[in-house]
Amino acid sequence: DIQMTQSPSSLSASVGDSVTITCRASQSISLYLNWYQQKPGQAPKLLVYSASTLQSGVPSRFSGSRSGTDFILTINNLQPEDSATYYCQHTYRAPWTFGLGTKVEIK
Amino acid sequence: QLHLQESGPGLVKPSETLSLTCSVSGGSIRNTEYYWGWVRQPPGKGLEWIGSISYSGDPDYNPSLQTRVSISLDTSANQFSLKLDSVTAADTAVYYCVTPGPGGYDIGTFDDWGQGVLVTVSS
Repeated sequence: DIQMTQSPSSLSASVGDSVTITCRASQSISLYLNWYQQKPGQAPKLLVYSASTLQSGVPSRFSGSRSGTDFILTINNLQPEDSATYYCQHTYRAPWTFGLGTKVEIK
Repeated sequence: QLHLQESGPGLVKPSETLSLTCSVSGGSIRNTEYYWGWVRQPPGKGLEWIGSISYSGDPDYNPSLQTRVSISLDTSANQFSLKLDSVTAADTAVYYCVTPGPGGYDIGTFDDWGQGVLVTVSS
């Protein structure tokens, strides 16, 4: 199975800050990388697919990118409603696996 | 937009079989574009893909669960189902039914999710 290592496990930032979350795959996955946002008591929501394509309706302050073997989710101009846990997921080949999540807290 | 809704017992005894159903509205499970799957999340933990099934009924399971899991389609009811045998406390989780939906995503990308159902394994 392809392992997804996500960091940090949690972070705290202020409204208006920019934050980055990193995900690294245990092997090459091309651009088969998604990001999901999950708020307490809710199902995850697809934010970014194919590493950098923003899902329809997702605010443009969210962006995804790749740097070498690292995949990065950036949230610019952090808003209170961005408080959530974020998960990366590869879809290179089954089994599709997720990172352990990054909990984003607003100070 | 597809709407998915899980249903099934919230409490299952150890060693028994967990059975859940996902009712689909807003589209047909026989649509050749769609795949249907299950993801679970133990309380306070991360996400695990359980398995998926194509419109034609060909399943694909996570190897970690393959010996115990079965996913099937009920085209007459526009539903698909999950069965997990010989459950233990480690199978306690929120179970979500999922689908890539009609957006042309790859089969492992889940754009539509049910609200989730908590299944507790306990005697």
